Amino acid sequence: EDQVTQSPEALRLQEGESSSLNCSYTVSGLRGLFWYRQDPGKGPEFLFTLYSAGEEKEKERLKATLTKKESFLHITAPKPEDSATYLCAVQRSNDYKLSFGAGTTVTVRA
Amino acid sequence: KAGVTQTPRYLIKTRGQQVTLSCSPISGHRSVSWYQQTPGQGLQFLFEYFSETQRNKGNFPGRFSGRQFSNSRSEMNVSTLELGDSALYLCASSVLGNIQYFGAGTRLSVL
Repeated sequence: EDQVTQSPEALRLQEGESSSLNCSYTVSGLRGLFWYRQDPGKGPEFLFTLYSAGEEKEKERLKATLTKKESFLHITAPKPEDSATYLCAVQRSNDYKLSFGAGTTVTVRA
Repeated sequence: KAGVTQTPRYLIKTRGQQVTLSCSPISGHRSVSWYQQTPGQGLQFLFEYFSETQRNKGNFPGRFSGRQFSNSRSEMNVSTLELGDSALYLCASSVLGNIQYFGAGTRLSVL
């Protein structure tokens, strides 16, 4: 059974205070690791897909990295609009089901 | 390009009733997946359809069913509703199944 564990559960940051979110995973045959952002009352918004260890992707203040056991989402100089729940999910190579972690809720104060 | 559209956005039902939720995928996407999101269990996979065929199914009872039409639109049905079925039901579409784009969801409340 796939396992995805995200830490911390919640993160409170001051505007401009960089930090990292962790996603550790266990899956037999990884097709890809996905990061989503979810705002209250909305569906998850796709951010990144990482396919192999060592891969990195960036979008504005966000940077995602992948190793064989975990992924990190780095938030550089966050702004209040970066406040959201960030979800990590894995997809096995033999099907397309996404297995999600519980998420990290990030709050950025001005 | 229009995103994934789910209707209705909100539903209130009573125990024992049945409900049908609808999902219109992004144009050109042939895969539609359904997920249930609750505060206690998080996001859990229900099933996935590709070209009108169910390709994968999660660990939910048979009361949860779905189908996909030739235009890739999908519906999911929950029969004999229970209080524990109260949740946000999310639909996601994809070209082949890998990168999935989610709709805003249908919030179902069972009283």
